Amino acid sequence: EADIYQTPRYLVIGTGKKITLECSQTMGHDKMYWYQQDPGMELHLIHYSYGVNSTEKGDLSSESTVSRIRTEHFPLTLESARPSHTSQYLCASRRTGQGDQETQYFGPGTRLLVL
Amino acid sequence: AQSVAQPEDQVNVAEGNPLTVKCTYSVSGNPYLFWYVQYPNRGLQFLLKYITGDNLVKGSYGFEAEFNKSQTSFHLKKPSALVSDSALYFCAVRDSRGGGFKTIFGAGTRLFVKA
Repeated sequence: EADIYQTPRYLVIGTGKKITLECSQTMGHDKMYWYQQDPGMELHLIHYSYGVNSTEKGDLSSESTVSRIRTEHFPLTLESARPSHTSQYLCASRRTGQGDQETQYFGPGTRLLVL
Repeated sequence: AQSVAQPEDQVNVAEGNPLTVKCTYSVSGNPYLFWYVQYPNRGLQFLLKYITGDNLVKGSYGFEAEFNKSQTSFHLKKPSALVSDSALYFCAVRDSRGGGFKTIFGAGTRLFVKA
């Protein structure tokens, strides 16, 4: 079982609210990722980080922002939540290993519902 | 460019029968290939990976996958399916050349195992 945690697991919030989804890993992984996934559908990479103070936007445009001030922590923030943000958000991490072989491990996800 | 395809949205199999979930890929360099499983309301759980060596890779819960370079495939197999194997399965590929290539996930295949 991977040591990667996400909180909250479930969140119901009103339109216009600011929210932060937390992701932490205790494996010392340098690379971290955020994916957006509608239930039972494919994953879309929205943000990634290759290390502290490194953040990049992913393949799917997102109104969210991320920060990476500490290796183990990669929070995602929505300044003003909208119903279109309703989805599941998955955090993942991996180590840069020999030949880039390392496995990516996932957290349990946060299911967000914006009313 | 990297890509991965899971041609079947859904696979149905009777308990006790062998199962196969198909995956084909495209990368410029040599591939690193991964299979993940996702149960309802959970994150993705790593099953197995192919990096190099023996083309038949064994993983968790009795699953195995065979790397076929000529057919650019990495099908997931299990000799005898269990009802508890019912879940969403994702194939993923990463280019071994590294240099920042991201892991690309397939769209997922839903496996139903009927008792």
